[in-house]
Amino acid sequence: EVQLVESGGGLVQPGGSLRLSCAASGFTVSSNYMSWVRQAPGKGLEWVSIIYSGGTTYYADSVQGRFTISRDNSKNTLYLQMNSLRVEDTAVYYCARDSPYITGTGGWDYWGQGTLVTVSS
Amino acid sequence: DIQMTQSPSSLSASVGDRVTITCRASQSISSYLNWYQQKPGKAPKLLIYAASSLQSGVPSRFSGSGSGTDFTLTISSLQPEDFATYYCLQSYSTPITFGQGTRLEIK
Repeated sequence: EVQLVESGGGLVQPGGSLRLSCAASGFTVSSNYMSWVRQAPGKGLEWVSIIYSGGTTYYADSVQGRFTISRDNSKNTLYLQMNSLRVEDTAVYYCARDSPYITGTGGWDYWGQGTLVTVSS
Repeated sequence: DIQMTQSPSSLSASVGDRVTITCRASQSISSYLNWYQQKPGKAPKLLIYAASSLQSGVPSRFSGSGSGTDFTLTISSLQPEDFATYYCLQSYSTPITFGQGTRLEIK
């Protein structure tokens, strides 16, 4: 059974750092496209970052240069390292797997439960 | 960046109604358009991919159409479990962008 379990969220001060983890089971992270998507309280969805199976990464303009997506193949885990956090980064962060049966990206068939990141002084 | 505009932003309907939500892209995205459903406190759920393909396990009352810049999501006969927020998404180019969402409420 495919499962994604996120952890690492919490309260952090502006300018601080946090690393989110997304532990996968039932499939191999490194063989799939994986993304992070966030949702600020009461707001819509925002794509944050993607890592392709080949290792190429892309970021939303709003996090470029501050966030880094990566994976640990031995742990079958996806990460999001978040530095220089801002109040506007406050959101629930979801990891998501691109369906291997759908061409391209954005067809996320499995999602984690979400982890809340709160940036506040 | 490609802007995605959904309409309406909210909609009231009754069980059994036929409902259509539209999504317009700021430039042509071919058929790189997906639709998601989200219920409060839950992760989004993929409904439609590639503009008109039904995701496995999704009821056939959901359908999608369109290409280029204009797309629609149709629910043929609303069921109680369909009251939720719906988002379109373009994956034609990065950054991947979502529409602002359409909140579907019970009339």
